[in-house]
Amino acid sequence: QVHLVESGGGVVQPGRSLRLSCAASGFTFSSYTMHWVRQAPGKGLEWVALISYDGDNKYYTDSVKGRFTISRDNSKNTLYLQMNSLRPEDTAVYYCARDRGWLVLPGGDDAFDIWGQGTLVTVSS
Amino acid sequence: DIVMTQSPDSLAVSLGERATINCKSSQSVLYSSNNKNYLAWYQQKPGQPPKLLIYWASARESGVPDRFSGSGSGTDFTLTITSLQAEDVAVYYCQQYYSTPITFGQGTRLEIK
Repeated sequence: QVHLVESGGGVVQPGRSLRLSCAASGFTFSSYTMHWVRQAPGKGLEWVALISYDGDNKYYTDSVKGRFTISRDNSKNTLYLQMNSLRPEDTAVYYCARDRGWLVLPGGDDAFDIWGQGTLVTVSS
Repeated sequence: DIVMTQSPDSLAVSLGERATINCKSSQSVLYSSNNKNYLAWYQQKPGQPPKLLIYWASARESGVPDRFSGSGSGTDFTLTITSLQAEDVAVYYCQQYYSTPITFGQGTRLEIK
């Protein structure tokens, strides 16, 4: 059974850091582009970042460039999002999602077929 | 950035009737080399993550009921739900994956009339 499970969310003060993890199971993690998508409370979906299956290609939405870093450890079947210099506007549920594309470079040119349940990040003093 | 605009923002339809949601992109998401529209539709129920319904504008994801269908090309797309069921109450999003940043529409809330 294909699963994605996020962890690492919580309450953090503005300017501080947090690292999210997404554990994958039930599929060959190392063959798929992965994404982070967030959803502020009561709002719509916002794509945050993607990483290609080999980890060499990374793309970010402008609002997180220079603050967030996406990475992956294919030996641990785990996706990460390192979030630094957090702002109140980063408050959201963060989802990891699998791209349908298999062994595609640079990645990010297919829909998202598997989603985790999400982890809530609250940035507040 | 490609801006995705959905209409309407909310919609109330009677059980068994048809629901139609529109999505317009600020530029074409049709890739001429493979003739594919890089457009997907998702359903999100309260407290749940989004669920993929349609990709390549009209391909139905495995397990999705055939009352859900997608159509359109270029910049104008439609999600149609024929014979609305109670379990279809949700927010629906379109998404373009033609270019980064990947962008979503603002969402359309579908309710039962």
